[in-house]
Amino acid sequence: EDQVTQSPEALRLQEGESSSLNCSYTVSGLRGLFWYRQDPGKGPEFLFTLYSAGEEKEKERLKATLTKKESFLHITAPKPEDSATYLCAVQAFGDYKLSFGAGTTVTVRA
Amino acid sequence: DTGVSQDPRHKITKRGQNVTFRCDPISEHNRLYWYRQTLGQGPEFLTYFQNEAQLEKSRLLSDRFSAERPKGSFSTLEIQRTEQGDSAMYLCASSFAGNEQFFGPGTRLTVL
Repeated sequence: EDQVTQSPEALRLQEGESSSLNCSYTVSGLRGLFWYRQDPGKGPEFLFTLYSAGEEKEKERLKATLTKKESFLHITAPKPEDSATYLCAVQAFGDYKLSFGAGTTVTVRA
Repeated sequence: DTGVSQDPRHKITKRGQNVTFRCDPISEHNRLYWYRQTLGQGPEFLTYFQNEAQLEKSRLLSDRFSAERPKGSFSTLEIQRTEQGDSAMYLCASSFAGNEQFFGPGTRLTVL
């Protein structure tokens, strides 16, 4: 069974204080690793898909990287509007569903 | 707005009642998924449609749960004889083939 573990559970940052979120995974043949952002009371918003080890994707202050066992989401010089829960999910080859971690809740203080 | 839409956004019901939720996917997407999310957890897969065919159901989906996608367009998720443990956010997502899944805003169910 696919397993996704995210750490830390919560992260409090000062505005401008860069940090990284970790997503460790176990999957029988990784088709893709997905990062989503979720604001309270809303559905997850798609951020990135990573397909192979060594791949990197960037969007504004966010950068996602992938190795064979884990993925990192780097937040550079965060702003209060980056406050959200960040979810990591994996999809195995031949499968359709996403298996999610519990998320990391990021709070950025001005 | 061309995103995934869900209706209703909130539903409060009494234990034992039946409820039905609707999801309208992005128009060109042929795949539709239902997930359930409880507080502090990530979404958990419930079921998946490719066009009108329901291809996979999670073991989490008890006999009280049924989903349909007539004509491969919108989908409905029905819960019969609701229980307090059914209280959760029910999320719908859609994708084109095996690409990224885009989620709707969810339906928050509260069972009293």
